[in-house]
Formats: sequence, structure tokens, C-alpha cells
Amino acid sequence: SQKIEQNSEALNIQEGKTATLTCNYTNYSPAYLQWYRQDPGRGPVFLLLIRENEKEKRKERLKVTFDTTLKQSLFHITASQPADSATYLCALFSGGYQKVTFGTGTKLQVIP
Amino acid sequence: ETGVTQTPRHLVMGMTNKKSLKCEQHLGHNAMYWYKQSAKKPLELMFVYSLEERVENNSVPSRFSPECPNSSHLFLHLHTLQPEDSALYLCASSQEASGGARDTQYFGPGTRLTVL
Repeated sequence: SQKIEQNSEALNIQEGKTATLTCNYTNYSPAYLQWYRQDPGRGPVFLLLIRENEKEKRKERLKVTFDTTLKQSLFHITASQPADSATYLCALFSGGYQKVTFGTGTKLQVIP
Repeated sequence: ETGVTQTPRHLVMGMTNKKSLKCEQHLGHNAMYWYKQSAKKPLELMFVYSLEERVENNSVPSRFSPECPNSSHLFLHLHTLQPEDSALYLCASSQEASGGARDTQYFGPGTRLTVL
């Protein structure tokens, strides 16, 4: 069956360090993958999209990689700040609206 | 703000009540979605509307009834819910619902539903 796993429920990191979050999937052939940020009591907010033929995407302090051989995406936040503390969700789009699937998320805590 | 609003933000209802959740998008999108988010579970896609036509219903119990009167508004009518239906209900919209990059979801803040 299709499955998405995000490396851990929670990740604590010191301010200024690089946070790395992992999204692994099985039994998918995603056309592209997205990362969202969700704050408590709020809806997810779209951050980045990466297509299957792209290896890396950057936006300011954010970087996403996509390895379709390993079936894995890594999400990096460089020079992390306490304001980056939130839950980060990965979502796979494998064609057709019914194929949008979200991971359970990783809760990131950046410690001052 | 994402351009998607939801009301009410919080709702407490008994199992015999009937209530409705409302969603409005101000982005000019053609597709709208209802998701359910429970603690420690991934977002569950419930319904998808594209150009006001329902195009997906993911085996959702009939006690949840969606309505999309136009491309900017989406409702979720609730009746005879169960306590396990307590969750955060999220509305989202996208430019399209075609399986492409234009399906990027823009979410509302959600309605926190508690069923007693």
C-alpha cells in the first residue's frame, strides 16, 4: 500500500543551526512533492514545490531536495530561528486530485 | 492570510444537532476541498469540487454532506455526528484540480469541531 513517512514526530534544534526534515514514501510515483508549514490552530501554508525531474529547489533559507531513486525528499531550513518553530508537512501529488496525500508532519522546535 | 476564510472557527455540537461549516475563497480558484485533520493522523481528503461539481468523495459517511453553490463558496453540512468526528476541518482551494502544479492547496484556518 502507499505510504508516506516523515522522519520523526518532533525535532528540536538550536537556533542558528540547519534543520533537516525527511519525507520518505513507498509505492508512489509522484509527479511532484510539496512542503507546507502548519502553526497550531491554523491551516497549512504552502512553502515549496519540487517536480520529479528536479533535484533541488531553494527559497530564501529553505531548500528542498527530491530523490526519486531513494524515494525521499529532504527539507532544510538554514540559520534556523525560533519563528521557524511549527509543524512541517510533506504532500505528494501523483496525478489527479484524488492522489494528493499528506504526511503526518514533523514538529520542529527551534531553541533560542 | 491565505485568502480562504472559514466560519465558525470553533463549534461544539451534540450528536443530534445539525450544523453547517462555511468556507469562502477570494482567490478566483476553480477547485475547493474539505479535509479532516485528527491528532497524530495525516490530513484526510474528504471532498473535492471542481467548477462547482463534486469530483471526489473519499468514502465519507453520509452524515457529512457537502454543498458548493458557486466556485467561491463551500459548505459542509453536519448531522447526527459521532464523538470520533471531533477534529479540525480544513477547507482549501486551488487553481485547478487536475493533478498538476496548479493544484497547490491554499488552506483556510479550519473549524475546530467537538462532538459531545
